[in-house]
Amino acid sequence: RKEVEQDPGPFNVPEGATVAFNCTYSNSASQSFFWYRQDCRKEPKLLMSVYSSGNEDGRFTAQLNRASQYISLLIRDSKLSDSATYLCVVTESTDSWGKLQFGAGTQVVVTP
Amino acid sequence: DGGITQSPKYLFRKEGQNVTLSCEQNLNHDAMYWYRQDPGQGLRLIYYSQIVNDFQKGDIAEGYSVSREKKESFPLTVTSAQKNPTAFYLCASSIKGARHGYTFGSGTRLTVV
Repeated sequence: RKEVEQDPGPFNVPEGATVAFNCTYSNSASQSFFWYRQDCRKEPKLLMSVYSSGNEDGRFTAQLNRASQYISLLIRDSKLSDSATYLCVVTESTDSWGKLQFGAGTQVVVTP
Repeated sequence: DGGITQSPKYLFRKEGQNVTLSCEQNLNHDAMYWYRQDPGQGLRLIYYSQIVNDFQKGDIAEGYSVSREKKESFPLTVTSAQKNPTAFYLCASSIKGARHGYTFGSGTRLTVV
């Protein structure tokens, strides 16, 4: 079983709509959680960290559910520029240095 | 501005050749990482280093080698033993604990010709 699992999509979203997707992780002791965005043929870039209380950054909202071991990302009022692959990232629990485990990504396609 | 620089952006390798990918950071990060990404797939860890003069194998280290002689630099050599080296190679760095995640370089696209 993979440590971090994501629905690969694609999620086809009309411009202006809301899209949400989850990521599950297997290691209950994971401490840090992130969402990264990766555009085609580019490097991943940090979108936001995910905190226990949930957090919001503009149109993006991230939630953490430790009991069920998943994190979620919600994008409101989708823009064409939101089209990308979204990577779910968690720390390995046994590594105090914080080596990260990456999911394979969820592709989002925003259409006009 | 602080950042992480990878070079070259594109690299072509002949069969049987060794090639070295450069990765330099001026973020004063302790840890550095090399990942490989194949089309439509996720990142796979090749090697990582948490401190100068020390490094560990990741999940797919066979056919690769690294060195960490300076904190700022973590070059990756793709040897002739790597049978399928065509991929997108990403270097990353982080502070200890990675509580702010990783910072990535812009990547090197390696193609075998």
